[in-house]
Amino acid sequence: DSGVTQTPKHLITATGQRVTLRCSPRSGDLSVYWYQQSLDQGLQFLIQYYNGEERAKGNILERFSAQQFPDLHSELNLSSLELGDSALYFCASSVSGTSGGPYEQYFGPGTRLTVT
Amino acid sequence: GQNIDQPTEMTATEGAIVQINCTYQTSGFNGLFWYQQHAGEAPTFLSYNVLDGLEEKGRFSSFLSRSKGYSYLLLKELQMKDSASYLCAVRDRNSGNTPLVFGKGTRLSVIA
Repeated sequence: DSGVTQTPKHLITATGQRVTLRCSPRSGDLSVYWYQQSLDQGLQFLIQYYNGEERAKGNILERFSAQQFPDLHSELNLSSLELGDSALYFCASSVSGTSGGPYEQYFGPGTRLTVT
Repeated sequence: GQNIDQPTEMTATEGAIVQINCTYQTSGFNGLFWYQQHAGEAPTFLSYNVLDGLEEKGRFSSFLSRSKGYSYLLLKELQMKDSASYLCAVRDRNSGNTPLVFGKGTRLSVIA
């Protein structure tokens, strides 16, 4: 158990719909990352938040958005869903600091999204 | 652009040693990570290299050559439970709390 929680575990919805995925980071971690994993693409970075502010953006579609709340949990919103959005969505968190170190990311169990 | 290459699949025998290679071409470099991922589960952190050389952690070791853009993960005394995907990832930005660029992973099958 990494200490990162994600809900829901599974989500099945129809094309055109909107869903919200939720993530709670490990206690004390300020950084939250969202990744998408599909069979042919591997893990793709979507977006990062640090202490409530957007820190970095990756290959995130305009139909997708995210935010991090004052209690540090984060939500990923996916709208106008398409069949190709079916994937595993992982949230990860990492410790913060200014000294050198790995700052490895710890992943939640993921949300499996199926768009039909 | 960012490019991380690993073999797609490997098979090895229980009790043997296997080496999983990773080559990378990224715009920056601030550390290389290996993660293990069992099917349908979350990736779990295995190792981190930022300087050239070998890092050993129990049955797992990881090597880095920055000049060659090359790393490998060495798994010794293979067990059936080591059957999983192994993901190579690079931090390409010069700060600790930054995203990782992942390779597509190597699916390792351990057979009896």
